[in-house]
Amino acid sequence: QKEVEQDPGPLSVPEGAIVSLNCTYSNSAFQYFMWYRQYSRKGPELLMYTYSSGNKEDGRFTAQVDKSSKYISLFIRDSQPSDSATYLCAMSRLSGAGSYQLTFGKGTKLSVIP
Amino acid sequence: NAGVTQTPKFQVLKTGQSMTLQCAQDMNHNSMYWYRQDPGMGLRLIYYSASEGTTDKGEVPNGYNVSRLNKREFSLRLESAAPSQTSVYFCASSDILGLSRNTKLFFGSGTQLSVL
Repeated sequence: QKEVEQDPGPLSVPEGAIVSLNCTYSNSAFQYFMWYRQYSRKGPELLMYTYSSGNKEDGRFTAQVDKSSKYISLFIRDSQPSDSATYLCAMSRLSGAGSYQLTFGKGTKLSVIP
Repeated sequence: NAGVTQTPKFQVLKTGQSMTLQCAQDMNHNSMYWYRQDPGMGLRLIYYSASEGTTDKGEVPNGYNVSRLNKREFSLRLESAAPSQTSVYFCASSDILGLSRNTKLFFGSGTQLSVL
């Protein structure tokens, strides 16, 4: 079982829909959770980050973490064509060498159709 | 407001050729990283530099070398390119020293490398 699992999609939704993107993880040592957005032929950019279980909202985006279920989600309300991108979850944990290891999901490709 | 700049954007090599990928950041960040991104594999860390003068191996360092030239610049060298190194390479930087609990990375636009 991989440490971080993310459905690659692709996911296609109509403009205005609510989008739910998810990642599951197997290692309870993960402490910090992030979502990156990656447009085609560009590098990933940090979208949201959170540490504790619960919800964090930023405009149309809500990040949700459920540590008991080892499940994180990103919700996009009123989705726009400009939201079409690949969304990568990422999480960090203390590695055996004493530093932190950042692990990325494989990314979910989202298309928002006008 | 350049952020992280990578050169070149595209490169085609023949097996056995060498090349250096260049990366520079203008955000005064301490730490810099090289990742590769392959379909179905996600982003994998090749090497990172927690601070000027230090480098450490990541998840997939074999076949690569790095140089932290100064605080701004971090280069990745392929000494003898192999087809398995065909990938998109991303440089990133962060203001946190090395990989910490809440490391937030800023990425360049990537180099698409094909090794024939």
